[in-house]
Amino acid sequence: EPEVTQTPSHQVTQMGQEVILRCVPISNHLYFYWYRQILGQKVEFLVSFYNNEISEKSEIFDDQFSVERPDGSNFTLKIRSTKLEDSAMYFCASIQGARETQYFGPGTRLLVL
Amino acid sequence: AQTVTQSQPEMSVQEAETVTLSCTYDTSESDYYLFWYKQPPSRQMILVIRQEAYKQQNATENRFSVNFQKAAKSFSLKISDSQLGDAAMYFCAYRSWSSNSGYALNFGKGTSLLVTP
Repeated sequence: EPEVTQTPSHQVTQMGQEVILRCVPISNHLYFYWYRQILGQKVEFLVSFYNNEISEKSEIFDDQFSVERPDGSNFTLKIRSTKLEDSAMYFCASIQGARETQYFGPGTRLLVL
Repeated sequence: AQTVTQSQPEMSVQEAETVTLSCTYDTSESDYYLFWYKQPPSRQMILVIRQEAYKQQNATENRFSVNFQKAAKSFSLKISDSQLGDAAMYFCAYRSWSSNSGYALNFGKGTSLLVTP
């Protein structure tokens, strides 16, 4: 069964460093999402991406965040200058059509020291 | 803005018994979807069940079923014949079109389910 994959599974970085989180959505899916889950809290929407551009973003998704789909398969989330409060689990999700069910990747656990 | 409320931070059930997790939501939309996701200790998000608001029939997936009360804006999850592997965090989620988040999911805070032998 096709699945969403994410790399790395864990990342430890120093405050102020840039990180890139990678996702490979299911191949025939068209809509892509990034979510964040701070430990012990609920999952929060960051950004959605469709037709090679951001379609929506939350207020969490400020100028330090960016997304792109560089090669038609990978979908990346870049955090330019990490802060301590960026420590969280980051989930990628994809759907084939706007009304379909979102399938989540296994997540990347980011720890900022 | 739509809100999803899970009023039970923790629930406990004995193996083979039945447990119901509650979820309420607030919306003015008529066209929307509701989901239950399971998050085990690995923290992967796993879809348990989905309900379309226009469907009157409650969704069922094996031991998992929902009680969808559209007028009351309630969407509870019933787990029958509970198994040790059901122990996890369960998140209720809502989705409709919104100008801020498109078809992104809006999650509740979750209910931690403990299954005892």
